Amino acid sequence: GQQVMQIPQYQHVQEGEDFTTYCNSSTTLSNIQWYKQRPGGHPVFLIQLVKSGEVKKQKRLTFQFGEAKKNSSLHITATQTTDVGTYFCAGFLITQGGSEKLVFGKGTKLTVNP
Amino acid sequence: EAGVTQSPTHLIKTRGQQATLRCSPISGHTSVYWYQQALGLGLQFLLWYDEGEERNRGNFPPRFSGRQFPNYSSELNVNALELEDSALYLCASSLSISGSGGSDYNEQFFGPGTRLTVL
Repeated sequence: GQQVMQIPQYQHVQEGEDFTTYCNSSTTLSNIQWYKQRPGGHPVFLIQLVKSGEVKKQKRLTFQFGEAKKNSSLHITATQTTDVGTYFCAGFLITQGGSEKLVFGKGTKLTVNP
Repeated sequence: EAGVTQSPTHLIKTRGQQATLRCSPISGHTSVYWYQQALGLGLQFLLWYDEGEERNRGNFPPRFSGRQFPNYSSELNVNALELEDSALYLCASSLSISGSGGSDYNEQFFGPGTRLTVL
């Protein structure tokens, strides 16, 4: 079925190292959103990507949307302990029947060793 | 401005009972989403309401149902509770989608969740 695969499931890094999480869809996405959930908290919106090949930056975070709008990535440069949490992607796709469908990746849990 | 609110904060039920969870979206938001987050797992999409209509539902059995009221608040009902229904249930709201499909989906603002425990 239509789904969004997110990898890796877990990532442990040393503070200062880079981190990347990837989302891949079997179907073309209308857009993709990224969320961060801190331990014990609720997901918080980070960004939305809409255009094919779009790249957006937020300080140390770089978000990319693939040319085919089937994959996306979030890259964090020089991680800090404040980056700890689970990062989710969420993609909207239009089904063959014309309805909208929302699919979430399972998330990548990032831990940072100070 | 008040954020998304959910009630109750915690809910304890026994197997076979029914649970009702409530969500009030941010003022002006007409889309409400429900998610289940079991311990250690990711977000599982449950239901999506937009302007009173069910837009889509995730891969959950029919005993998970809900509705959206004229004031855009929403209710999630879980019938015949099972032990594996124990989870954090998150509600999120957003501005309405445009209906054109594609570029006008808006960011979701999440509530604090309702922790449902089934004994």
